[in-house]
Amino acid sequence: DAGVIQSPRHEVTEMGQEVTLRCKPISGHDYLFWYRQTMMRGLELLIYFNNNVPIDDSGMPEDRFSAKMPNASFSTLKIQPSEPRDSAVYFCASSLALGSQTQYFGPGTRLLVL
Amino acid sequence: GENVEQHPSTLSVQEGDSAVIKCTYSDSASNYFPWYKQELGKGPQLIIDIRSNVGEKKDQRIAVTLNKTAKHFSLHITETQPEDSAVYFCAAFSGSARQLTFGSGTQLTVLP
Repeated sequence: DAGVIQSPRHEVTEMGQEVTLRCKPISGHDYLFWYRQTMMRGLELLIYFNNNVPIDDSGMPEDRFSAKMPNASFSTLKIQPSEPRDSAVYFCASSLALGSQTQYFGPGTRLLVL
Repeated sequence: GENVEQHPSTLSVQEGDSAVIKCTYSDSASNYFPWYKQELGKGPQLIIDIRSNVGEKKDQRIAVTLNKTAKHFSLHITETQPEDSAVYFCAAFSGSARQLTFGSGTQLTVLP
């Protein structure tokens, strides 16, 4: 298996622009997670899905952030409008189940908002 | 919610020496404790994990110990090698919060 795939790997945009991050989980994994990593706050869970349904979005910072999972093999995280404080590395991860099951992380998208 | 504290934030050891990273957690309902290694420019990768019904687990040069009473767990790396240099994260899965909470990370540097 190719593992979790994320695109783009790097994104540079200007404040106010819309940003869309994409993720393809490992086939057969029922759970998909979006994390954000910054020096100040470390790794934070933003939202996770189970069987394409959002279960917990309490980590989404504000209404500018939205996430969708239209099918089992694709998810997006959208920021509209983007702000400089959104600059971070965004990771997608997937797992077979919740709890004591390994979460497999993608390579991340490094976002810089100018 | 769960709070995971990790120490030290940086650790330098000589090649061949051992390295120990410690974490504490707050939620007594936490029952799964993975450790991740993150190399520069890559996503975190699981290196070892332990469940709450086990006190110790070993995989070659890596071992993890868990003290449920004290709510702390540790990662032990023996015979360190330069390729062990990376950032290591501990995490705890809380059954009540139903999510994985990560520690702040330890930058391990193995000096040749």
